[in-house]
Order: sequence, then C-alpha cells, then structure tokens
Amino acid sequence: DVKVTQSSRYLVKRTGEKVFLECVQDMDHENMFWYRQDPGLGLRLIYFSYDVKMKEKGDIPEGYSVSREKKERFSLILESASTNQTSMYLCASRNPWTGEKLFFGSGTQLSVL
Amino acid sequence: AQSVTQLDSHVSVSEGTPVLLRCNYSSSYSPSLFWYVQHPNKGLQLLLKYTSAATLVKGINGFEAEFKKSETSFHLTKPSAHMSDAAEYFCVVSEDNAGNMLTFGGGTRLMVKP
Repeated sequence: DVKVTQSSRYLVKRTGEKVFLECVQDMDHENMFWYRQDPGLGLRLIYFSYDVKMKEKGDIPEGYSVSREKKERFSLILESASTNQTSMYLCASRNPWTGEKLFFGSGTQLSVL
Repeated sequence: AQSVTQLDSHVSVSEGTPVLLRCNYSSSYSPSLFWYVQHPNKGLQLLLKYTSAATLVKGINGFEAEFKKSETSFHLTKPSAHMSDAAEYFCVVSEDNAGNMLTFGGGTRLMVKP
C-alpha cells in the first residue's frame, strides 16, 4: 500500500514562528500536494508539485511556501505563522501516469496561538 | 471555473436504512467527479470516481453515485447503512486534464444510529 506520512499529528506554535510541515511518500509518485481542511470549506489546495524542484500555486498560497528537493519529500513552510493558519493540513501524492487517485496522509492539526 | 456544493453538512440515518449524500457541481467542461471518505483520525480515501464512462459508478463498501449532467448532480448512495460508514464525505470535481486542480465540496458528515 502507498504510504503518505506526515511527521506530526499535532503541532502548537506561536504567532510569528516559522513552521515546517513535512510529508514523505514511499511510492515514487511525481505529484505531491498540500491542502488545508477547514469545517464547511472542505479541502483547499495550497501548493502542489508535479516533480522535484517544481511547484505550482494552488487556490490559497498566500502566507505559505513549499520545498521539494527530493522526490519523496514535500515540505510546507509557514514563514511567519498567524492565527488564521490554525487548521488541519493534509498532504497527498499521486502517480499521474496511472490515474487521478490521490493518496492522503493522516493530517497535521496545527494550532497557532 | 468549477465549484462543488454539498447540500447537507450533516446527515443522520439509522443502521440498515438507505444513505443519500447530495452533491451539485458547476463546470465549464466535461468534469471528472469523485467521492472521498475521511474516517476519524485517518486520511482521505477514494470511494469512487466518474470520468465520462458509465454514468452509474460503483465504488467500494457498497457505495455508488450517478452522474446526471442535466441536473449537474453526482449524488452518493448506499442501499443499507452500516455503523462503519460513519465518516465525513467529500464530493470533488476536476476540470484539469492533468488532475492537479481539484475542487472539494464542504463535506457532509454522516452519522449512523444503531
């Protein structure tokens, strides 16, 4: 089975801190995604990467950046965390050559105080 | 532009009774449509997908969905609910040929009463 691992299940950070959310997948997928999930809003795409060192903005990239130095790892960075970035963050990966199915990690619940 | 509306934020059914989770979409092109399920403390899992083949799509765990272009709907159904079906369900639309730009609905939380 594909495994998408997010390094932290829960994180608590203070306003202004730099925050790194890490995601690793073990199936050599080219595409990786970061979403945030908020009640009533579903999942919204922050950034995606279609290959190493490639990135594209999603629907809500403001306040975030990403890094994809290796194929298996996709990092989401909050340069200066703010309280409105308190949310559940979900990482996903996909093999674009075999279909559109996304494989999701279990999520990181980030609280910014 | 594409959008997805899940008409009910919460649905409650009794075990053994039918399930209906409603989804309407708007899309400029022929979309791909999906249903994902999220169980508590777990990642999302693909239930089923429609990609312009048969309009009635069968998924895992006895779920199915029917694509109705005239009604721009993609409702999810199951004949008989099980306690393990309690979860949050997301309807998703994709217009992007590469499948990178998905739009998620707001989610429907399904509760199953014994």
